[in-house]
Amino acid sequence: AQSVTQPDIHITVSEGASLELRCNYSYGATPYLFWYVQSPGQGLQLLLKYFSGDTLVQGIKGFEAEFKRSQSSFNLRKPSVHWSDAAEYFCAVVPLGGYNKLIFGAGTRLAVHP
Amino acid sequence: DAGVTQSPTHLIKTRGQQVTLRCSPISGHKSVSWYQQVLGQGPQFIFQYYEKEERGRGNFPDRFSARQFPNYSSELNVNALLLGDSALYLCASSPHPEAGAGSGELFFGEGSRLTVL
Repeated sequence: AQSVTQPDIHITVSEGASLELRCNYSYGATPYLFWYVQSPGQGLQLLLKYFSGDTLVQGIKGFEAEFKRSQSSFNLRKPSVHWSDAAEYFCAVVPLGGYNKLIFGAGTRLAVHP
Repeated sequence: DAGVTQSPTHLIKTRGQQVTLRCSPISGHKSVSWYQQVLGQGPQFIFQYYEKEERGRGNFPDRFSARQFPNYSSELNVNALLLGDSALYLCASSPHPEAGAGSGELFFGEGSRLTVL
């Protein structure tokens, strides 16, 4: 069965530091890959997505992610974290033919220290 | 422009009761999906509707049902509530029938938080 693993439940970084959130997926073929962010009291917002082509994708709010087929990974990065980035981050996949059925990881909660 | 709106935002029910949650998609969006997010977990897919037809169903019991109306709004019904149904229920809309078509982006509402006592 398809699955998404986010190994880090909670991460704390200092403001201005770089960030990398890990995501691994289990699926036979390359699925569509997404990162969503959920701020307290708000719905999920799409940060970026990968369908095909260039394995480094740029998203909103200065985030980027790199797809590595050999590692079945789609890690999210940001070179300099802002206090407003504190939120929960979810990696998700849509299997081919899966319509809008997103399979989410358990999430990584990011705390930012001033 | 209005985003995805859900109602009610919070509600408390007791075991065995029934609940109806409502969702209005973004204007022009014909696809509505429902997700359950239990505290500390990622959202889990429940249903997807497109043009009033069910296009997908997740691994949930028959106590869960949904429908989509001609104006593309949607309702999620849960019967015979259990304590384990306590969760944030998220509705998402999209102009596309499939995530791989077009942008593939789902637009989520802020959710309905259900507490079952």
